[in-house]
Amino acid sequence: QKEVEQNSGPLSVPEGAIASLNCTYSDRGSQSFFWYRQYSGKSPELIMFIYSNGDKEDGRFTAQLNKASQYVSLLIRDSQPSDSATYLCAVNMRGLLYSSASKIIFGSGTRLSIRP
Amino acid sequence: KAGVTQTPRYLIKTRGQQVTLSCSPISGHRSVSWYQQTPGQGLQFLFEYFSETQRNKGNFPGRFSGRQFSNSRSEMNVSTLELGDSALYLCASSLEQGDGYTEAFFGQGTRLTVV
Repeated sequence: QKEVEQNSGPLSVPEGAIASLNCTYSDRGSQSFFWYRQYSGKSPELIMFIYSNGDKEDGRFTAQLNKASQYVSLLIRDSQPSDSATYLCAVNMRGLLYSSASKIIFGSGTRLSIRP
Repeated sequence: KAGVTQTPRYLIKTRGQQVTLSCSPISGHRSVSWYQQTPGQGLQFLFEYFSETQRNKGNFPGRFSGRQFSNSRSEMNVSTLELGDSALYLCASSLEQGDGYTEAFFGQGTRLTVV
């Protein structure tokens, strides 16, 4: 089982619609969760982080976390062509030697395409 | 505030050579992590350093090594390069307050091509 799993896509969504991206993770003790956006040829850019169960909204983006189900998602409302990118789910997992250490593991990413 | 700086941006090396990549984290960040990104494998965790100590390591061979200096700058070294080492190498820095809640910010990466 992969530590962080995402559907690779591509996910095609019409402009103006809601894009829904999903992610599951294996380490039940994980505490912090991130969504990164990566445009082709560029490095990942942090767009959202969430630490507590429930929803967290930031502009058109909403991150949702369910620790019991080990599931995190990202909703993008009013999708724009500029949202077309690969979205990476990342989880801060406990280190083997130092439980507080940063071991941020990424999923393989979901390619999102917003069609006009 | 300056972001994460990686040098060089591009590098071409021959099989069997060794290479050193550099990363300067955001000022005040003491945790530096390294990742390898390839089209087939995605973003793979290499290792993480904090206060000059390697705290976590991914599943890479011993040819991949790193270190961190007292000013938090980090270097990554790959010896005996193989064609499969061609990738984008990304460095991320985190504030790391020791409670597990920390965000990582990436540099622009070093594109390594092994020929």
